[in-house]
Amino acid sequence: AQKVTQAQTEISVVEKEDVTLDCVYETRDTTYYLFWYKQPPSGELVFLIRRNSFDEQNEISGRYSWNFQKSTSSFNFTITASQVVDSAVYFCALRYNTGNQFYFGTGTSLTVIP
Amino acid sequence: KAGVTQTPRYLIKTRGQQVTLSCSPISGHRSVSWYQQTPGQGLQFLFEYFSETQRNKGNFPGRFSGRQFSNSRSEMNVSTLELGDSALYLCASSLIVGLGSSTEAFFGQGTRLTVV
Repeated sequence: AQKVTQAQTEISVVEKEDVTLDCVYETRDTTYYLFWYKQPPSGELVFLIRRNSFDEQNEISGRYSWNFQKSTSSFNFTITASQVVDSAVYFCALRYNTGNQFYFGTGTSLTVIP
Repeated sequence: KAGVTQTPRYLIKTRGQQVTLSCSPISGHRSVSWYQQTPGQGLQFLFEYFSETQRNKGNFPGRFSGRQFSNSRSEMNVSTLELGDSALYLCASSLIVGLGSSTEAFFGQGTRLTVV
């Protein structure tokens, strides 16, 4: 069963617009971690953020912010004032407390148009 | 601090051949995991190694195997290559903390395998 769903396959925005990438996850465990990764054309996955299941505080880091809501099993990612360099594929992922197996969503391809 | 290094970056192989990919994790990281990325299936977990032992395995056929050396470097091998094995193979390293839990995974740039 799909554990992480990213319903948005592709998004295009004009530079300086805000954009929110949606992520919905499914798990019966009470302890887990959620992640966002960015994959630029070079291929490597760049770590953006990790949240554990007991920490529902939203987080802001520069132009990036994350909204974690256990009640709706969502972990959404917002980029404020988007820039061309933000163009990439963004992946949401779930990992349990032990082991290092990530369950990735299908990714959202973001294009920021200058 | 050096990142995760994967070699080679690109490979072209013929159906039926075998291939070995290499991954050098970040210094001090003892957990190495491998992922296959294809347009159709997305990112799929292959296996994880920790302290030279396979700790977890994804749903892939036995043609896919791996190992980890005492210096934490890891290799994965695919035998009897099929066209469908064409993919980007990503390696990730993590620091193990606490009771077997780990920090975020740091990924290499991947090896692009093309099977013709």
